[in-house]
Amino acid sequence: AQSVTQLDSQVPVFEEAPVELRCNYSSSVSVYLFWYVQYPNQGLQLLLKYLSGSTLVKGINGFEAEFNKSQTSFHLRKPSVHISDTAEYFCAVSPSTGANNLFFGTGTRLTVIP
Amino acid sequence: ETGVTQTPRHLVMGMTNKKSLKCEQHLGHNAMYWYKQSAKKPLELMFVYSLEERVENNSVPSRFSPECPNSSHLFLHLHTLQPEDSALYLCASSQTRESGANVLTFGAGSRLTVL
Repeated sequence: AQSVTQLDSQVPVFEEAPVELRCNYSSSVSVYLFWYVQYPNQGLQLLLKYLSGSTLVKGINGFEAEFNKSQTSFHLRKPSVHISDTAEYFCAVSPSTGANNLFFGTGTRLTVIP
Repeated sequence: ETGVTQTPRHLVMGMTNKKSLKCEQHLGHNAMYWYKQSAKKPLELMFVYSLEERVENNSVPSRFSPECPNSSHLFLHLHTLQPEDSALYLCASSQTRESGANVLTFGAGSRLTVL
C-alpha cells in the first residue's frame, strides 16, 4: 500500500521569499509522484510529476520538485513566491505497476503575505 | 476550462432528499473517478470507472450510487445522506494505459451541504 505525509498543514511566507513544501511517501514498490495545486473554489490542477529519469522536475508557475529515493521524499520548491501562489498544495503517489490509482496527502495551505 | 465540468457547483439538501451530481469530460479519456474532499483529510477515492465499467468501489455507503452511461458522463446519485457527508465532491478523468503514469484531470467540484 502507498501513503503520503505532508507534515506542514499551513505555511505562511512573505512575497518574493523562497518556499519549500515537504512531502514524504511510503511504498513497497516503485512509484510515480505528483504535486497538484488547488486554488480557491477550483478543482485540482497538476503542477508537476516525476515518472523516471532526472530527479529534479520542473513544473508550471516556476515550481520544481526533487525526488529523493533514499529519503522517500518529493519536496516542492519555488525560489520566489507571488501573491497568486496562495493555494492548497497536494502531494500524491501512485504505484508504477498494476492498478495505478493516486493516493493523496492531506494538503499544505500556502499563504503568501504581501 | 479544465475539460471536466461538474454541476451543480453548490448543493444544499436535507437528509431525506434525492439529488444527483453530474460530471462531463471533454478530453476523450477512458476513465472517470469520484473523490470526496473533506477538511483536514486526504482526498478519498470513492469510485473508478474504466471503459464505462466500475472497477473500484472503496467501501462507499450505499446511499451514494454512481452511474456511468458513457465514457464522457459520470453521475453520483445521492439518497438519505447524513450531515457528515457534507464535503466537496471532485470528479476526475484520465486516459489509462497499460504502462505509464495515470494523470488525472479534475473538475472544479460540487460543494455539498447536508442539513
